Amino acid sequence: ILNVEQSPQSLHVQEGDSTNFTCSFPSSNFYALHWYRWETAKSPEALFVMTLNGDEKKKGRISATLNTKEGYSYLYIKGSQPEDSATYLCAFSFKNRDDKIIFGKGTRLHILP
Amino acid sequence: GAGVSQTPSNKVTEKGKYVELRCDPISGHTALYWYRQSLGQGPEFLIYFQGTGAADDSGLPNDRFFAVRPEGSVSTLKIQRTERGDSAVYLCASKLYMNTEAFFGQGTRLTVV
Repeated sequence: ILNVEQSPQSLHVQEGDSTNFTCSFPSSNFYALHWYRWETAKSPEALFVMTLNGDEKKKGRISATLNTKEGYSYLYIKGSQPEDSATYLCAFSFKNRDDKIIFGKGTRLHILP
Repeated sequence: GAGVSQTPSNKVTEKGKYVELRCDPISGHTALYWYRQSLGQGPEFLIYFQGTGAADDSGLPNDRFFAVRPEGSVSTLKIQRTERGDSAVYLCASKLYMNTEAFFGQGTRLTVV
């Protein structure tokens, strides 16, 4: 069974604070790791697609790291803002099924003013 | 349009009826995905297409569910003899090629009463 686990399930962060959350995935047969942001009443929107062990990607105040050998990725948000409130989804695709994308349940982030 | 379009945005149907959900992917995207999202869960994989063929339909819950993509563009998810447990948001996404991000539609909210 190929599962993507995300933690925590839900998180409340004070505006201005930095935060991070975790995605773990099967380390064997890894192909790519995706992060998406899903705001209420909108479509999920891609943040990053990472493929190489040790990859680090950054978009504004959001960054992500990837460890394919141990099967985890971290998403970091620096100086949280109210517009960061969303569900952050991690997704995984694997060798031999390299276009099949499996999602975790997400981390719901609430930024407190 | 520039994005993935799903119709209808909302569908209420009676138990036992047949429904069709439509997805118009981004032009030129070869991979197309269907997911189902229930409250508090992440997107659950149903099926994905490469071109006209279903590359993996292992997520379809039972034989009441079927999807087609006859010309490699628009896809239709068909649900026969709907049950109350089929109520969910059905998401469609498309992707250009491997290791790229998937683009999502706004989803169809299906309610079976």
